[in-house]
Amino acid sequence: AQSVTQPDIHITVSEGASLELRCNYSYGATPYLFWYVQSPGQGLQLLLKYFSGDTLVQGIKGFEAEFKRSQSSFNLRKPSVHWSDAAEYFCAVEAAGNKLTFGGGTRVLVKP
Amino acid sequence: DAGVIQSPRHEVTEMGQEVTLRCKPISGHDYLFWYRQTMMRGLELLIYFNNNVPIDDSGMPEDRFSAKMPNASFSTLKIQPSEPRDSAVYFCASSLALGRLHEQFFGPGTRLTVL
Repeated sequence: AQSVTQPDIHITVSEGASLELRCNYSYGATPYLFWYVQSPGQGLQLLLKYFSGDTLVQGIKGFEAEFKRSQSSFNLRKPSVHWSDAAEYFCAVEAAGNKLTFGGGTRVLVKP
Repeated sequence: DAGVIQSPRHEVTEMGQEVTLRCKPISGHDYLFWYRQTMMRGLELLIYFNNNVPIDDSGMPEDRFSAKMPNASFSTLKIQPSEPRDSAVYFCASSLALGRLHEQFFGPGTRLTVL
């Protein structure tokens, strides 16, 4: 069965510093991977997705993610964090039946 | 389009009461999903519809939960009777079609508290 693990429950980063969120997946076939962001009191918004091809994927809001098959990882990065990036971030894999399986989420706090 | 609309945004009820959560998908979207988010279990899919027909309800926790979609612009998730362990945030999402090429758009969620 497919699963997604986000090892970090909370991350605190200073404004302007770089950010990396870890995601590891377990899936037998070619994975289709997603990152979503959930701002306080809001629903989830798609940041980026990976299906095939270039393993470095660019998304909205200055985020990017790199797919590494050998490590079963799909880590999310941003070079310089803004206060508005404080949110919860979810990694997801599309499983059988085209359903999304989500990781537990990583909550990002941004210090001024 | 206003996006996916959910009501109410917050619901507090007492154990044993019936709870109805409502969702209006984005116009033209053929798929509607109901998710539940809890600290213990994270975000999990409960059920999804295609053209108003339930396709997969394997995530519905038990018979106390039921979902309907009487028309293309409205869906309900009902819990009867409610229990404290049902306390969670319930999200509705919609998409044009199914699969990785079609983004799911999420509503703001309904935060349910069962006392």
